[in-house]
Amino acid sequence: GAVVSQHPSRVICKSGTSVKIECRSLDFQATTMFWYRQFPKQSLMLMATSNEGSKATYEQGVEKDKFLINHASLTLSTLTVTSAHPEDSSFYICSASPRRRAGLREQYFGPGTRLTVT
Amino acid sequence: KQEVTQIPAALSVPEGENLVLNCSFTDSAIYNLQWFRQDPGKGLTSLLLIQSSQREQTSGRLNASLDKSSGRSTLYIAASQPGDSATYLCALEYGNKLVFGAGTILRVKS
Repeated sequence: GAVVSQHPSRVICKSGTSVKIECRSLDFQATTMFWYRQFPKQSLMLMATSNEGSKATYEQGVEKDKFLINHASLTLSTLTVTSAHPEDSSFYICSASPRRRAGLREQYFGPGTRLTVT
Repeated sequence: KQEVTQIPAALSVPEGENLVLNCSFTDSAIYNLQWFRQDPGKGLTSLLLIQSSQREQTSGRLNASLDKSSGRSTLYIAASQPGDSATYLCALEYGNKLVFGAGTILRVKS
């Protein structure tokens, strides 16, 4: 149980375009979803936390107008990178939890999406 | 602010060796700590979770310890195998979020 999927697994887009990444909880209702970004040989950095039906809470330094997060249902959250630039190229990982306050025991991670902006 | 450091950044060992990966953190006010494995271009696979009240956890050839007072956790891998080659991340619950280390890249040579 507790499976989280992401789509697509890889995406290449041109600079200036927007790209949407989906994160789905397959066998549980995800009250809370988290979006992380990982640059090569660096740690995962939390970008934002979203609760179903509420606006996302962004971490300091993350542009909310550039990284649009929608958590419209209990099984789906989307991250849209708007006007992508090469420096947005990264590995994006989502996690989901059935709880509003999710510690390590209740967070389930997706397989990640590799974004390359040319 | 919580900072998590993993040492070494990379490690290459011959098959069969026992090895220790280190994770240190600056603020001991953590809840739980977890070790993950990440294969290249892949997501995270949970290995061991140590709750704040525990000092260690074991699963097969893996043993993880936690010393909150000194701000350290170690992951011990016994009788390493080429299939253990991956990046190992430690993550801890701090406040209402997870903080990750940068990982140790492990290569086990056959």
